[in-house]
Amino acid sequence: EDQVTQSPEALRLQEGESSSLNCSYTVSGLRGLFWYRQDPGKGPEFLFTLYSAGEEKEKERLKATLTKKESFLHITAPKPEDSATYLCAVQGGSEKLVFGKGTKLTVNP
Amino acid sequence: DSGVTQTPKHLITATGQRVTLRCSPRSGDLSVYWYQQSLDQGLQFLIQYYNGEERAKGNILERFSAQQFPDLHSELNLSSLELGDSALYFCASSVDPLKGNGYTFGSGTRLTVV
Repeated sequence: EDQVTQSPEALRLQEGESSSLNCSYTVSGLRGLFWYRQDPGKGPEFLFTLYSAGEEKEKERLKATLTKKESFLHITAPKPEDSATYLCAVQGGSEKLVFGKGTKLTVNP
Repeated sequence: DSGVTQTPKHLITATGQRVTLRCSPRSGDLSVYWYQQSLDQGLQFLIQYYNGEERAKGNILERFSAQQFPDLHSELNLSSLELGDSALYFCASSVDPLKGNGYTFGSGTRLTVV
């Protein structure tokens, strides 16, 4: 069974303080690893798809990387508007996405 | 606006009742997925439809059912509601799940069972 574990559960940063979120996964036949951002009471918003180990993608202050067992979401010089819950998901042999429970990020000004 | 439309946004109902949640997928997307999100469980996959046919089932209760219509909109029916069914219900759509492009989510329906 595909599984995703995200850590930490919650993270508090000061504005400008860079850090990383971790997503560990087990999946049979990885088709894609996905990062989403979710604001309170809203639907998840797609950020990145990573397909193979060694792949990296960037968007503004966010950079996602992938190894065979885990993915990292690096946040460089975060701003208060980056505060949200970040979700990691994998798609394996089945078509469904299996999500982790997320990391709640708070960036204080 | 993600292009995936869910109605209603909020629903308050009593235990034992039945409700229907509606989802219109993004234009061109053939697959519709339903997820339940509660505070302690995260996003849990319920069911997937592809072009009108059921494609995959997750941990969906027997009291829950869904269908996808010829115009590709989908409905999730929840019956004999219990307090524990209170959650956010999300619909997502994708053009081709086999290409690993991820999903586009709607803004959800918040169900409160009292």
